[in-house]
Amino acid sequence: SQTIHQWPATLVQPVGSPLSLECTVEGTSNPNLYWYRQAAGRGLQLLFYSVGIGQISSEVPQNLSASRPQDRQFILSSKKLLLSDSGFYLCAWSPDSVSNQPQHFGDGTRLSIL
Amino acid sequence: DQQVKQNSPSLSVQEGRISILNCDYTNSMFDYFLWYKKYPAEGPTFLISISSIKDKNEDGRFTVFLNKSAKHLSLHIVPSQPGDSAVYFCAASGGKLIFGQGTELSVKP
Repeated sequence: SQTIHQWPATLVQPVGSPLSLECTVEGTSNPNLYWYRQAAGRGLQLLFYSVGIGQISSEVPQNLSASRPQDRQFILSSKKLLLSDSGFYLCAWSPDSVSNQPQHFGDGTRLSIL
Repeated sequence: DQQVKQNSPSLSVQEGRISILNCDYTNSMFDYFLWYKKYPAEGPTFLISISSIKDKNEDGRFTVFLNKSAKHLSLHIVPSQPGDSAVYFCAASGGKLIFGQGTELSVKP
């Protein structure tokens, strides 16, 4: 069966520090991968998605970036964090980009910027 | 511009009764709709989905209804159980998933 792992579960970072969140998927190959952010009291906002190694699409302008160095690895990064980057970050995968398939989420990372 | 809206931030229901969660959307090009359930500090879990060619899909205690003319979908949970207490997100897809803001369901014993 497929599983998705996301770490760390919680992270407290000072303003201006770098960020690296990692997500890996097991049990499937060539998944579509996604990074979402959930701000307090709001829905899930799509940040990035990837349909293959090295292929990244950005949905919103921000100081975050994403990379997919391996088929089942998706990384969310920032060079200098802002206070507004606080939130709950979720990685998700889906098996196909053509047919309608649900996305499956990791357990998320709670990021607090001080 | 929110394309998917859940206008009720919270809902409280007695155990054993029906829970009805509602969702409205604006884009008639959406062709696939989903409901997710989320507990605190966890990622959303996929519950049930429906294609735009259908108006109803049922899975155990969960039924999703789609009214395309009204651009409205709803999730019915019957009977409601305390373990159903969570935040429920609807989502619509026209390629990418667009999520509503969520409705917090509380099922009281």
